[in-house]
Amino acid sequence: GAVVSQHPSRVICKSGTSVKIECRSLDFQATTMFWYRQFPKQSLMLMATSNEGSKATYEQGVEKDKFLINHASLTLSTLTVTSAHPEDSSFYICSARGAGALTDTQYFGPGTRLTVL
Amino acid sequence: GENVEQHPSTLSVQEGDSAVIKCTYSDSASNYFPWYKQELGKRPQLIIDIRSNVGEKKDQRIAVTLNKTAKHFSLHITETQPEDSAVYFCAAPIQGAQKLVFGQGTRLTINP
Repeated sequence: GAVVSQHPSRVICKSGTSVKIECRSLDFQATTMFWYRQFPKQSLMLMATSNEGSKATYEQGVEKDKFLINHASLTLSTLTVTSAHPEDSSFYICSARGAGALTDTQYFGPGTRLTVL
Repeated sequence: GENVEQHPSTLSVQEGDSAVIKCTYSDSASNYFPWYKQELGKRPQLIIDIRSNVGEKKDQRIAVTLNKTAKHFSLHITETQPEDSAVYFCAAPIQGAQKLVFGQGTRLTINP
């Protein structure tokens, strides 16, 4: 149980284009999903927290107009990197947290490696 | 805000020996402490967690201890094996918020 998928696993795009990443909880309802960014050999940096049906809460320094987050259902959240630039190249990982017994635990997706040329 | 300090940043042990990674946290209201293992290029995997109503939890070769007074918790891996080589992250919640704050990570290498 508690499986989170993420798609795509890898994407290469040209500078100026937008990229959408999907995060799905496959066998539980995720009341809250989180989006992280991870640079090589570094820790997980939280970008934003999204609750189903409401606007995402962004961490300080994260541009909400650049990183659009939608959490339209209890099993799906999307992150759109708009007008991507080479400095946006990174490993993006989502996590999902459920209700009840799964309230505390965050389960991570496999990550998306974004390369912007 | 909540701060989580993790040490050491790198750890190398001989196969079969034990490994210990320590974390300290700043928010005394924190009540849940997970440990994640991340292999290169893969997702962080929850390996064990502990809640503040207990002082120790064990799962086969892995154990976590919690000292609420000192605000630190530790991961113990016994009888280490090569497949234990990975980066390990501790985390603690920001009370009143939904999010976890992660430690800086420990790169564990098991030498055969």
